[in-house]
Amino acid sequence: QVQLVESGGGVAQPGKSLRLSCAASGFIFSRHAMHWVRQAPGKGLEWVAVIWDDGSSKFYPDSVKGRFTISRDNSKNTLYLQINNLRADDTAMYYCGKDESAAGTSFVASWGQGTLVIVSS
Amino acid sequence: DFVMTQTPLSSPVTLGQPASISCRSSQSLVHSDGNTYLSWLQQRPGQPPRLLIYKVSNRFSGVPDRFSGSGAGTDFTLKISRVEAEDVGVYYCMQTTHFPLTFGQGTKVDIK
Repeated sequence: QVQLVESGGGVAQPGKSLRLSCAASGFIFSRHAMHWVRQAPGKGLEWVAVIWDDGSSKFYPDSVKGRFTISRDNSKNTLYLQINNLRADDTAMYYCGKDESAAGTSFVASWGQGTLVIVSS
Repeated sequence: DFVMTQTPLSSPVTLGQPASISCRSSQSLVHSDGNTYLSWLQQRPGQPPRLLIYKVSNRFSGVPDRFSGSGAGTDFTLKISRVEAEDVGVYYCMQTTHFPLTFGQGTKVDIK
């Protein structure tokens, strides 16, 4: 069955960087677009990035554009999210999600358990 | 941005009774390919989101048939025909038609 396992979260200082990873298994990773979605403590869901199956296209909301970079290594079945210049409002649980489309977005069928990022001095 | 507005934000329900959640988009969610990419997600306490309904009315694999979705254009509804204890949680609509992808604020369903 589909498994998505995030890692790389933790406590980091404002202004620093973090790289989150999402290890995928149970499906053909290279045939699916992948997302990152975050959830601040006690708040709702916020989409932060998507990447096409072959990595050819990436999209972000304005709120994170320029600081967040999504990437993938299809040879390792792994998705990444680089977060630079961390801010307090980046504190959240970060989930990766599998889209049913390859290039484009249709629906996020599977979600990982999340990795928690806390930005604090 | 495509703003998704859910009502109500809180829904106390008696076990065995129905529940209904509305989601309204600020603009049409019909994609140029003719599909409407509106999903419903369930998030139980302490759990990640789980897909219930995709493309307005399609129940995802393993989802009980007491969950149903309907709607078109800008107005969508999730219905639970008979609420069970395991349905407690927060429900979100999500649009994946237009960038940036957006979610509704969430509707908390709990038992009276």
